[in-house]
Amino acid sequence: GAVVSQHPSWVICKSGTSVKIECRSLDFQATTMFWYRQFPKQSLMLMATSNEGSKATYEQGVEKDKFLINHASLTLSTLTVTSAHPEDSSFYICSARLLASSPYEQYFGPGTRLTVT
Amino acid sequence: SQKIEQNSEALNIQEGKTATLTCNYTNYSPAYLQWYRQDPGRGPVFLLLIRENEKEKRKERLKVTFDTTLKQSLFHITASQPADSATYLCALNNQGGKLIFGQGTELSVKP
Repeated sequence: GAVVSQHPSWVICKSGTSVKIECRSLDFQATTMFWYRQFPKQSLMLMATSNEGSKATYEQGVEKDKFLINHASLTLSTLTVTSAHPEDSSFYICSARLLASSPYEQYFGPGTRLTVT
Repeated sequence: SQKIEQNSEALNIQEGKTATLTCNYTNYSPAYLQWYRQDPGRGPVFLLLIRENEKEKRKERLKVTFDTTLKQSLFHITASQPADSATYLCALNNQGGKLIFGQGTELSVKP
């Protein structure tokens, strides 16, 4: 149980276009999902916390107008990278917290590799 | 400032030996510390969670210790196998349940 999927697994887009990444909890409901970004050989950096039915909370230094997050249901959160630039190329990973679990349990998706040309 | 530090150098060991990875932190008082495995191009996979009032936790060939005085956790893999080769991340829970990750240590187990 506790499986999280992401779609797409990889995407290549041109500079200036927008890309949407989906994060789904497949067999559980998640009130909270998290979005991370990871550059090569570096740690996962938390970008934002996504709560179902409310606005996302962004970490310091993350542009909320550039990284749009929508948590429309208890099983789906989306991250849209708007007007993408080559420096946005990275590995984006989401995680989901079980509805009624300990607040410290998170389950991670497989990640989405974004390349902006 | 708050920091989580793991050995940035890759750890190379021989199959069958015990691998020991270190996670040190400063300016945190975490209630939980977690260890994850990450394979190239994949998301992290949860391995073990240890609470601040626990000194040691075991799961099969894995053992984690947590010393809140030293602000350090050690992660051991006994009888290591080539399939254990991966990057291992430690993570702390801060306020609000957010996970803060170390940069990870790459482990390579040679046959």
